[in-house]
Amino acid sequence: QQQVKQSPQSLIVQKGGISIINCAYENTAFDYFPWYQQFPGKGPALLIAIRPDVSEKKEGRFTISFNKSAKQFSLHIMDSQPGDSATYFCAASIGGTASKLTFGTGTRLQVML
Amino acid sequence: GAVVSQHPSRVICKSGTSVKIECRSLDFQATTMFWYRQFPKQSLMLMATSNEGSKATYEQGVEKDKFLINHASLTLSTLTVTSAHPEDSSFYICSASRLPSYEQYFGPGTRLTVT
Repeated sequence: QQQVKQSPQSLIVQKGGISIINCAYENTAFDYFPWYQQFPGKGPALLIAIRPDVSEKKEGRFTISFNKSAKQFSLHIMDSQPGDSATYFCAASIGGTASKLTFGTGTRLQVML
Repeated sequence: GAVVSQHPSRVICKSGTSVKIECRSLDFQATTMFWYRQFPKQSLMLMATSNEGSKATYEQGVEKDKFLINHASLTLSTLTVTSAHPEDSSFYICSASRLPSYEQYFGPGTRLTVT
């Protein structure tokens, strides 16, 4: 019930294309859904996050779409660039500040020239 | 803002020795810090949650006597891997949470190799 399922495992996109990564969860108590970007040998960096009271959040080229009834959320990267090539993790947590995160399994994105 | 550092970034130690990894929040006070372990091409696995001034809460299956966590101040938490063995070789990452937000900010990680 604490799992967050992430797909696809890997993704190849052409430069300028849209990258879409999906996550699904079971526990309806989750109330915070962040996305992290991780480059090899580095720690994850917070990209964007959403709460369940909104269906979409956009920051620059990154958009989270959230479907509460389906218990799914996704990350869209518009105009994908080679510099976006990294591993992306979705996550979820329950109940407020400093709660532990449950991570998805990760998606390795490669943006081709 | 919200910078978290880790030291060392890379460490090699001999089997049976102990190694300490530091996690610092540089520009904010972190009442809660988290320690994760990550194997190659895998997700992050939470090891423990550390609150300033109190004992850490360990996840199921994590040996608290092997992975000693101390959170002595609002800006520093340490993870000590005691009597390290080759199977403890991994990438260890800390994160810190800044009140009053939900966000966790991650350190750059420490690569531990036990020979």
